[in-house]
Amino acid sequence: GAVVSQHPSRVICKSGTSVKIECRSLDFQATTMFWYRQFPKKSLMLMATSNEGSKATYEQGVEKDKFLINHASLTLSTLTVTSAHPEDSSFYICSGYLVGYPNTTDTQYFGPGTRLTVL
Amino acid sequence: AQSVTQLDSQVPVFEEAPVELRCNYSSSVSVYLFWYVQYPNQGLQLLLKYLSGSTLVKGINGFEAEFNKSQTSFHLRKPSVHISDTAEYFCAGRKALGGYNKLIFGAGTRLAVHP
Repeated sequence: GAVVSQHPSRVICKSGTSVKIECRSLDFQATTMFWYRQFPKKSLMLMATSNEGSKATYEQGVEKDKFLINHASLTLSTLTVTSAHPEDSSFYICSGYLVGYPNTTDTQYFGPGTRLTVL
Repeated sequence: AQSVTQLDSQVPVFEEAPVELRCNYSSSVSVYLFWYVQYPNQGLQLLLKYLSGSTLVKGINGFEAEFNKSQTSFHLRKPSVHISDTAEYFCAGRKALGGYNKLIFGAGTRLAVHP
């Protein structure tokens, strides 16, 4: 149980276009989802925390107008990179926060990640 | 100050040898501690976690970790590694922030298992 999927797994786009990444919790309801960014050979950097039905909370230094997050349901959160530029190229990972499920208290379950390349 | 510190960026080891990946945490994170593994081009998979209770925690794939409050450590161990254990390992601690919790990750340790 506690599976999180991401789509697409890999995307290449032209500079100036927008890209949407979906994060789904497949077998549990995630009231909270997190979005991370990972640079090559680096750790995960938390970008924002997304709660179902409310505005996302962005970490300091993350442009909320560039990285739009929507958490419309308990199983789906989306990250839209608007007007993407080459410096936005990265590995984006989401996680679903599972609270109260037997033996999985207070644990984040991660998606497989999305590799974004902006040309 | 960094909240979770992984002391080794890379750990090379021969197959079937024991391994220890070190992790120390600071008081800015709670003692809810986690180890995750990341294989190339994949997301993170939970290996094990410590929330309370027994200080020796057993996880998947033969890994275990010991919570040591006096040394503020949560080192990951495996008595005999396999080639397939080659991956990036992340230690993380939970930090409560105004109604929600977030994970603070260490910089990661690259485990390279050689035949």
